[in-house]
Amino acid sequence: SQQGEEDPQALSIQEGENATMNCSYKTSINNLQWYRQNSGRGLVHLILIRSNEREKHSGRLRVTLDTSKKSSSLLITASRAADTASYFCAPNSGGSNYKLTFGKGTLLTVNP
Amino acid sequence: SQTIHQWPATLVQPVGSPLSLECTVEGTSNPNLYWYRQAAGRGLQLLFYSVGIGQISSEVPQNLSASRPQDRQFILSSKKLLLSDSGFYLCAWDNRGWANVLTFGAGSRLTVL
Repeated sequence: SQQGEEDPQALSIQEGENATMNCSYKTSINNLQWYRQNSGRGLVHLILIRSNEREKHSGRLRVTLDTSKKSSSLLITASRAADTASYFCAPNSGGSNYKLTFGKGTLLTVNP
Repeated sequence: SQTIHQWPATLVQPVGSPLSLECTVEGTSNPNLYWYRQAAGRGLQLLFYSVGIGQISSEVPQNLSASRPQDRQFILSSKKLLLSDSGFYLCAWDNRGWANVLTFGAGSRLTVL
């Protein structure tokens, strides 16, 4: 298993603005997943992008994947105060390395 | 529907005392089960995972152990807690699909004093 590294570590924006978080990883993947964690709660799966996909949308979420650069980004459009949370990426190498590991995440604060 | 339960939600224990955290999954069978720990200011550390009853793999050598006595029950234990065992413990499962999407419990906050 491999751990993704999220950047920036913290991001503070105003409600209505867009938020972009980045993730880098080291070895080839089967898919990459993004999770959200509200303070003091468990992680919640947001979106998955397969290795042969370049972009995926889900509501206000847009995920891109560049396998040549081994990086992904998560864009949250028109952010709301309720989007305040930590966001984690999880690169999944699949096969015998299917166990997901997580980095420190990006702490997003959306100010009303 | 599938649900995952963790308890207790909060625990304050003295150094040297034992620990037992329990996790159960409903609405699925033969899941992969995981224990993660999140210490303050750090990422999630994978502690243990299990692919079946009695089958436990440890990712990190430590003061903790795990057991899976039933298909949908996963227990995290310690005989003697250390200060460094403090943290937020999360149980998770996946249904063995190709994507290994995890569903997490609400977590157990452990403070060792």
